Amino acid sequence: KQEVTQIPAALSVPEGENLVLNCSFTDSAIYNLQWFRQDPGKGLTSLLLIQSSQREQTSGRLNASLDKSSGRSTLYIAASQPGDSATYLCAYQGGSEKLVFGKGTKLTVNP
Amino acid sequence: EAGVAQSPRYKIIEKRQSVAFWCNPISGHATLYWYQQILGQGPKLLIQFQNNGVVDDSQLPKDRFSAERLKGVDSTLKIQPAKLEDSAVYLCASSLDLYEQYFGPGTRLTVT
Repeated sequence: KQEVTQIPAALSVPEGENLVLNCSFTDSAIYNLQWFRQDPGKGLTSLLLIQSSQREQTSGRLNASLDKSSGRSTLYIAASQPGDSATYLCAYQGGSEKLVFGKGTKLTVNP
Repeated sequence: EAGVAQSPRYKIIEKRQSVAFWCNPISGHATLYWYQQILGQGPKLLIQFQNNGVVDDSQLPKDRFSAERLKGVDSTLKIQPAKLEDSAVYLCASSLDLYEQYFGPGTRLTVT
C-alpha cells in the first residue's frame, strides 16, 4: 500500500527559528518527491521537486533532501517568518504517475 | 503564464442534488488531474486524463462521479447525487511532462 507519513502534524515556532519537517514514504520505486505549500482555503503551491536521481534541492530559505533507501525526505526552513505559516504537504510520484500525498504539517510561525 | 483556472470557488448544495465543477488547465498541458481533499487529509487522485483519454480513474466513485475532458483542454467533474461525505475541496492540476503538477485554487464543496 502506498503511504506517506508526515511528522509532526502541527508545529508552532517563534520567528527566526530554523525548522525541519519530516516525510516518510513506503514506495522505494519513486520518480520524484515534491513539497507543496497550502494556505487556508487555497490550492497547492509547489515549493521544491526532487528527482529520484537527486539528493536535494534548494530554493531561497528552503532546502529539501531525499533519501530513497530509507524512504525519507526532509524540508528545512531557515530563519522562519510569520509568512511561512501554512500547511506543508509532501507527495511522491511512483510508477503509476499519480501523486501520493501525506496529510501535511501545519506550521505556525509566531512573531 | 496563466495558471490553472477553476470555477466555482465555493458551492453549497443539499444532499441528493447534483453539482458540476469546471477546470481550465495551463495552455499546452496534455495531462489533467482531479483530486479530492477532505478536511485534514492530503489530496486523493480521482481521475487523470491524458489529452481526451482516461489514464487512471481507479479511485473515482463511478456510481455518482463522472468527468470528461472534451477536445483535450477544459474538463468538467460532476457529482450526482451528492452525499454528505462528498464535502471537500476539489482540486484540478495539469502537467506538461507527467512529472511536475500545477494546481488550481480549488472548489470548496459543502453538502448539507
